[in-house]
Parts: sequence; C-alpha cells; structure tokens
Amino acid sequence: EAQVTQNPRYLITVTGKKLTVTCSQNMNHEYMSWYRQDPGLGLRQIYYSMNVEVTDKGDVPEGYKVSRKEKRNFPLILESPSPNQTSLYFCASSSTSENIQYFGAGTRLSVL
Amino acid sequence: GENVEQHPSTLSVQEGDSAVIKCTYSDSASNYFPWYKQELGKRPQLIIDIRSNVGEKKDQRIAVTLNKTAKHFSLHITETQPEDSAVYFCAATPGRGNTGKLIFGQGTTLQVKP
Repeated sequence: EAQVTQNPRYLITVTGKKLTVTCSQNMNHEYMSWYRQDPGLGLRQIYYSMNVEVTDKGDVPEGYKVSRKEKRNFPLILESPSPNQTSLYFCASSSTSENIQYFGAGTRLSVL
Repeated sequence: GENVEQHPSTLSVQEGDSAVIKCTYSDSASNYFPWYKQELGKRPQLIIDIRSNVGEKKDQRIAVTLNKTAKHFSLHITETQPEDSAVYFCAATPGRGNTGKLIFGQGTTLQVKP
C-alpha cells in the first residue's frame, strides 16, 4: 500500500531536549516536505527536498533541521525545542511528474 | 514573498445549499492550484486541482475556477452534504514548474447543517 509513514504520532517533551520525527515514503517520490499546522495559520512549509542531499527552506525553517540521505526518508530534527514549536506536523511526498502531496498521518508535538 | 489568502475562515451552510471558498495568490508565475480537504483528526487529502492553462474543472459536485488575470481561484461545492463538513485548504505553487514547494491558504472550516 502506497503510504507516507511518520513517527511518533504523539510526543510530549520539554524545552531544550533534542528530538527527531521520522518520515518514510514507499512511493519512490523525489519530493518530500515538512509542514506545521496551527489554528488560523493553515499549513506552513518548514523544509522541502527535491531529491537526495537536496533540501531547501520553506516559509518557517527557524528552529528546525532536516536531512535527506536516502530517497525514502526525510527526518525532521528539533535540536532545542521551544514551546512555540508546539504544533501538528505533517510530512508529505510528491513526484516530479505531478505536484499532488501525499500526507502522513501527522505528529502532534507538545513542548513544555 | 509568495502568499495565498483564503476566505472565508468559517462557512456554515444548510444541507443541499452550495458553498464557495475563494483564494487569491500573489505570484503571477504560479501555475498549479490544488484544493485539499481535511476531516477532523485526519490528514489533508487532495480533492481537486487545476492548472493555469485551464479556466474551470469539475468533478461531480465540486468544481474549481481560475482567473489568472485577477490571480484568484475558487472552490464550488454544490448540493452540500453533512460529510462535506471539514477544513478546506487552497494552495499554489510559487514560480514556474514543479519544485516541490507549495504555499497553502489559511483554511476554511465548512459546516454543513442537516
């Protein structure tokens, strides 16, 4: 089954404790993205990747890191989380032939 | 920078009525405009999209129109049903071509009352 898998689904952490949210897709898509969703602000792109070792900043990259060492994986790293990063995070992938974003199930992060 | 504005933020209609959601974009080079539906607690899913070389596209009860000159596009849902209740997002690709970058609107919460 074609899917985008992100883990964990829920995470509660404390300020400053490094964390990683994993994302994996099995559709051989070239493009992968991370979004955060906040009430009234819609979906805002954090980082996106056009292929292995090619990443670029989206609209809200501050406080986040990403890496794309393999085509299927695109982890989101918060080196020193802060409460303003409490949000719902979505990973998505798409192919070069179409821009349809396939979203993961989401990760709800709370930073205390 | 590139921007997509979406209105209204909330919309309540009676079952069977039509619903219209409008979006404007800032980058005149944008050429792809998808609409996503997000049900409560679920992930966004594509419901319809349109490219800049087309003015209108229809899929059963939903349709999207695009006015490139005015830089706005709209989602039309006819004969609304309770299962249409969800948050709807418009989006636009900035610049030409497919780069993987997508700018979303703020979302519209649609409530269809039985």
